[in-house]
Amino acid sequence: GEEVAQTPKHLVRGEGQKAKLYCAPIKGHSYVFWYQQVLKNEFKFLISFQNENVFDETGMPKERFSAKCLPNSPCSLEIQATKLEDSAVYFCASSQTLAGGLEQYFGPGTRLTVT
Amino acid sequence: GDSVTQMEGPVTLSEEAFLTINCTYTATGYPSLFWYVQYPGEGLQLLLKATKADDKGSNKGFEATYRKETTSFHLEKGSVQVSDSAVYFCALSRGANSKLTFGKGITLSVRP
Repeated sequence: GEEVAQTPKHLVRGEGQKAKLYCAPIKGHSYVFWYQQVLKNEFKFLISFQNENVFDETGMPKERFSAKCLPNSPCSLEIQATKLEDSAVYFCASSQTLAGGLEQYFGPGTRLTVT
Repeated sequence: GDSVTQMEGPVTLSEEAFLTINCTYTATGYPSLFWYVQYPGEGLQLLLKATKADDKGSNKGFEATYRKETTSFHLEKGSVQVSDSAVYFCALSRGANSKLTFGKGITLSVRP
């Protein structure tokens, strides 16, 4: 598609439950990025993929967070045993390779609320 | 590590006023610089970018010049409109397909 799609739009989980978020990048884009927006404004990079391979995971919490991008499937970000502090909006972005890869195109986000 | 610092907000202006939003960065080498805008309830949209020193990015009446000597990328617009009300983020990256490092964002409200 021509836009980055994210599902669900909203997700509510009780503390300790699992949360799974999905992202479909723009068709033809090889790179996928996940960002976490907390406190309304602050963005934190989590992880990026080049096709199905992890490209940069320097922002990924060591525990409870995992992500995948499998062929012919939406990418996913999973949080095991959610905590209150995981409440945030999670944005996915995609980019082309090489010369076109400077611009990242963002999806509308998934708002995760942990109660 | 890399960082981006934006002026504190929020900013409230009257329609047709002049806008300046300051942004400075800390990074080694020659990062690419961006301004992104987030309208209420939406994701981020790229507003403009610059990839090397003295480059000027421009879009929708907004401009920003990559100043290596002052490590700055200040956003300006000569005459703001109510529709410009949004949150503005300054960001940098180390090149194609690299992660973005964002400033804290600043909320702009433009009143009629």
